[in-house]
Amino acid sequence: RKEVEQDPGPFNVPEGATVAFNCTYSNSASQSFFWYRQDCRKEPKLLMSVYSSGNEDGRFTAQLNRASQYISLLIRDSKLSDSATYLCVVESGSARQLTFGSGTQLTVLP
Amino acid sequence: DTEVTQTPKHLVMGMTNKKSLKCEQHMGHRAMYWYKQKAKKPPELMFVYSYEKLSINESVPSRFSPECPNSSLLNLHLHALQPEDSALYLCASSQDPGDQPQHFGDGTRLSIL
Repeated sequence: RKEVEQDPGPFNVPEGATVAFNCTYSNSASQSFFWYRQDCRKEPKLLMSVYSSGNEDGRFTAQLNRASQYISLLIRDSKLSDSATYLCVVESGSARQLTFGSGTQLTVLP
Repeated sequence: DTEVTQTPKHLVMGMTNKKSLKCEQHMGHRAMYWYKQKAKKPPELMFVYSYEKLSINESVPSRFSPECPNSSLLNLHLHALQPEDSALYLCASSQDPGDQPQHFGDGTRLSIL
């Protein structure tokens, strides 16, 4: 089983749509969780951290369910500029290493 | 533009060549990382430097040799690479080991002939 598994995608959605990505992780001792965004042929960039209480940043909402070892990202009112690959990232171990999921590709269509 | 600068952006080398990838940051970050990313795959951690000392080596083959000459620079020396080593090599830094965010460079796209 992969350490971090994501929806395979790709997701092609119209502008204005709401889209949700899911992610599961295998290490129950994982400490922190993040969503990164990676544009085509560019470097990954931190989108947001994910907290148990859930957190929202504008059109983006992230949720963590530690009992189910499940993380989600909801994007509301999708914009063309949201087109990218979204990487679920889990931090584990005493060295706080990051493990990246394989990513979900999103294309927002006009 | 990213705050982490990597050179060169592209590199093509033969299997017998020796080359180096360079990474530089001037944010005063004390942790620096090398990742390898194959096409349509996630980044995979290779090395972590903490306060200029190698703290993590993720069982990377010895044909990859990291070096941290000072707190701002991180090199990756390459020797006798294989075609399967062709990938995007990303450097990242963070304030302290394990801190978020990690700031990534644009990467060096490496092709081994």
